[in-house]
Amino acid sequence: AQSVTQPDIHITVSEGASLELRCNYSYGATPYLFWYVQSPGQGLQLLLKYFSGDTLVQGIKGFEAEFKRSQSSFNLRKPSVHWSDAAEYFCAVGLYSGGGADGLTFGKGTHLIIQP
Amino acid sequence: EPEVTQTPSHQVTQMGQEVILRCVPISNHLYFYWYRQILGQKVEFLVSFYNNEISEKSEIFDDQFSVERPDGSNFTLKIRSTKLEDSAMYFCASSTHPTGTEAFFGQGTRLTVV
Repeated sequence: AQSVTQPDIHITVSEGASLELRCNYSYGATPYLFWYVQSPGQGLQLLLKYFSGDTLVQGIKGFEAEFKRSQSSFNLRKPSVHWSDAAEYFCAVGLYSGGGADGLTFGKGTHLIIQP
Repeated sequence: EPEVTQTPSHQVTQMGQEVILRCVPISNHLYFYWYRQILGQKVEFLVSFYNNEISEKSEIFDDQFSVERPDGSNFTLKIRSTKLEDSAMYFCASSTHPTGTEAFFGQGTRLTVV
């Protein structure tokens, strides 16, 4: 079965500093990869996704992620964080078995704290 | 912008009672999902639904759970006899594609079982 690992439970970054959130997945083939953000009391908002093609994908709010097949990673980056980026970030893997609507497998999340 | 709507936002129920969580997916979407998130834990897939039947389900989705699309717009999750461990945030999602790609999530229903 596929799995998603987000090794950092909490990350604290100064406002204006760069950010990288790590995500590794375990699966025999290339899955579909996603990053979602969850602000307190809110639902999950899709930041970006990777299906195929260019391994560097751009998302909303200035985020980008790079798929590295050799490392089974899909790390999320932002060059300069804003206080409003404080939230929970989830990496997720999607599959398509060809039969049904497979659900997403989520990592445990990384809680991002922005300090002034 | 179209969105997935869930009601209620918060529900408190007594152990052993039945609850129905409601969702209105985005109108042109064909695939529907329920996920749950126990406080402090990761989001977990429960079930997917397409063409008026369950497409996939996880081990969590046992006989206590059922889903229904009663009227062509609503998508419901029923828990037959709630347990304390069913307390969680339940998210509904919908998509146009079966991989769960481009899945749009609702704001969630926080279920508290007492």
